[in-house]
Amino acid sequence: AQSVAQPEDQVNVAEGNPLTVKCTYSVSGNPYLFWYVQYPNRGLQFLLKYITGDNLVKGSYGFEAEFNKSQTSFHLKKPSALVSDSALYFCAVSRTGGFKTIFGAGTRLFVKA
Amino acid sequence: DAGVIQSPRHEVTEMGQEVTLRCKPISGHNSLFWYRQTMMRGLELLIYFNNNVPIDDSGMPEDRFSAKMPNASFSTLKIQPSEPRDSAVYFCATPGTGTANTGELFFGEGSRLTVL
Repeated sequence: AQSVAQPEDQVNVAEGNPLTVKCTYSVSGNPYLFWYVQYPNRGLQFLLKYITGDNLVKGSYGFEAEFNKSQTSFHLKKPSALVSDSALYFCAVSRTGGFKTIFGAGTRLFVKA
Repeated sequence: DAGVIQSPRHEVTEMGQEVTLRCKPISGHNSLFWYRQTMMRGLELLIYFNNNVPIDDSGMPEDRFSAKMPNASFSTLKIQPSEPRDSAVYFCATPGTGTANTGELFFGEGSRLTVL
């Protein structure tokens, strides 16, 4: 069975500071890992993914994520937060070649000016 | 391509009424996912289709829920009869922007359902 854990309901950070949103996963076989962002009253938007290769993946809007196989983690990071980054962030996992994508509970990011 | 199109965007109905939510996936894809989002339960996978065939409907809450994908251009999610606990935002999503499954999903804007 696949599962995703986002241990923080909310992350608060000051504008200009680095941010980290945490995610751990459980899946049999090699995982496909994803981050999505959701703004109010909108659908989820894809940010970045890890399929294979370099453990550090870069995505949209300056976000990046680091895959750590031993810790089964895929934390989302950004070197310098913007107020406009404030949104709901979801981590997701699917099995290699599979279609079923399972999402974490989401982490609300607040960036204060 | 206009992306994934969902209708209606908002629906308010009374308990016991039938509700039909519609989704037009990104053209060229015959895989489609229905998710439900609530504050209490987060984002739940209800059902997904591949080649227009339901592959996994284990997330469908109960027999009041049904989904169809009669062709690659259209899918429906029906609730009959609706109950207040069905109030949620329902999302439709399709994989990738080409014919290959590259893993990521593209979501519609959602249908917000309120059952009174």
